[in-house]
Amino acid sequence: DAKTTQPNSMESNEEEPVHLPCNHSTISGTDYIHWYRQLPSQGPEYVIHGLTSNVNNRMASLAIAEDRKSSTLILHRATLRDAAVYYCILRKETGANNLFFGTGTRLTVIP
Amino acid sequence: GAGVSQSPSNKVTEKGKDVELRCDPISGHTALYWYRQSLGQGLEFLIYFQGNSAPDKSGLPSDRFSAERTGGSVSTLTIQRTQQEDSAVYLCASSIGTSGVPREQFFGPGTRLTVL
Repeated sequence: DAKTTQPNSMESNEEEPVHLPCNHSTISGTDYIHWYRQLPSQGPEYVIHGLTSNVNNRMASLAIAEDRKSSTLILHRATLRDAAVYYCILRKETGANNLFFGTGTRLTVIP
Repeated sequence: GAGVSQSPSNKVTEKGKDVELRCDPISGHTALYWYRQSLGQGLEFLIYFQGNSAPDKSGLPSDRFSAERTGGSVSTLTIQRTQQEDSAVYLCASSIGTSGVPREQFFGPGTRLTVL
């Protein structure tokens, strides 16, 4: 499976936008880019996913580079509740469907 | 509630004992996954069930681990002869079918297993 690379940690001030980067230089044409996050003492929760085009939902936006070798999860206004570990995961359209979690990015939101 | 539920929420056992962890997936979800997360570590895939197909057991760390899913719904993860290194949070997730676009997985709150 193609791997992803994320910074170990990031900080953001409350109510400021946050851009969480992810590199996936070995991504294949059938890989979807998924983001999950894990709040303290909870199971992971789905955030957003995309294939080629940028995506928006109520939680976040996903910006995908034209060559698809990187992507950025955008939280438009960070709140204290957004403090979590964010995981960028590649998933194929077919084949194994389990999630391969890396180390993720630990986001700290400063009040 | 309509989410994934797991029981017990916490389990403390002695080394060498067997334990059973239960997962109730979201109704109608045909795919069910087990993961574990050791202290301060990322999530590790254990096993995956999809409908009536044979489960994908490729993530099970040893033959002391097994899982079953009865009637395509509830799943039980069994760890025999527990060891201290089995201490972790065991997470269950479910999703709607798995053909085509990978569907989001919904996670339960986990079972924290402590082996003394």
